[in-house]
Amino acid sequence: DAKTTQPTSMDCAEGRAANLPCNHSTISGNEYVYWYRQIHSQGPQYIIHGLKNNETNEMASLIITEDRKSSTLILPHATLRDTAVYYCIVSIHTDKLIFGTGTRLQVFP
Amino acid sequence: EPEVTQTPSHQVTQMGQEVILRCVPISNHLYFYWYRQILGQKVEFLVSFYNNEISEKSEIFDDQFSVERPDGSNFTLKIRSTKLEDSAMYFCASSEYSRRAYEQYFGPGTRLTVT
Repeated sequence: DAKTTQPTSMDCAEGRAANLPCNHSTISGNEYVYWYRQIHSQGPQYIIHGLKNNETNEMASLIITEDRKSSTLILPHATLRDTAVYYCIVSIHTDKLIFGTGTRLQVFP
Repeated sequence: EPEVTQTPSHQVTQMGQEVILRCVPISNHLYFYWYRQILGQKVEFLVSFYNNEISEKSEIFDDQFSVERPDGSNFTLKIRSTKLEDSAMYFCASSEYSRRAYEQYFGPGTRLTVT
């Protein structure tokens, strides 16, 4: 699996967009970009995934660069409940999720 | 919304004792998983299970660990003789289909403390 690089931590004001970057310069053509989050030691929660195209769902948007070497998860209107560790995972479709250290997002009032 | 449940939420045991962690996956799911997270460290895959067989396991999942689906609803992780280093959060997950990591639903976890 390709390696990902994420900032250790980020802050965001409540109500503003949170943009979480992820570098995955060695991604292969058949590997997807997945985003999960973990709120305070709870079980990880799936957010979104994509292959090439940008994706949007009720939780977030995923922007993948044309060369696929990086991506950005966007939470359009962050709330205090979005404070969590966010994991960017690059993998083929798999059963085995390999988590990195993620980005700790702190949303402040 | 259906959810994965785990019991107990916190288990304290002495080194060398056997523990069984229990999970109730989402009812129509067929694929089951265990992960663990040592305090302050990454979430690590332990094992995947389908059709009463282990599909894949990690290096962590040695002979001290076993999994079982004893009935139609429960999925268990047994640690035969616990060690101090087994202290961690253990997460169960389930999915309806295979090879769809985005469809893995995680439970709230069991915190295992080995003293």
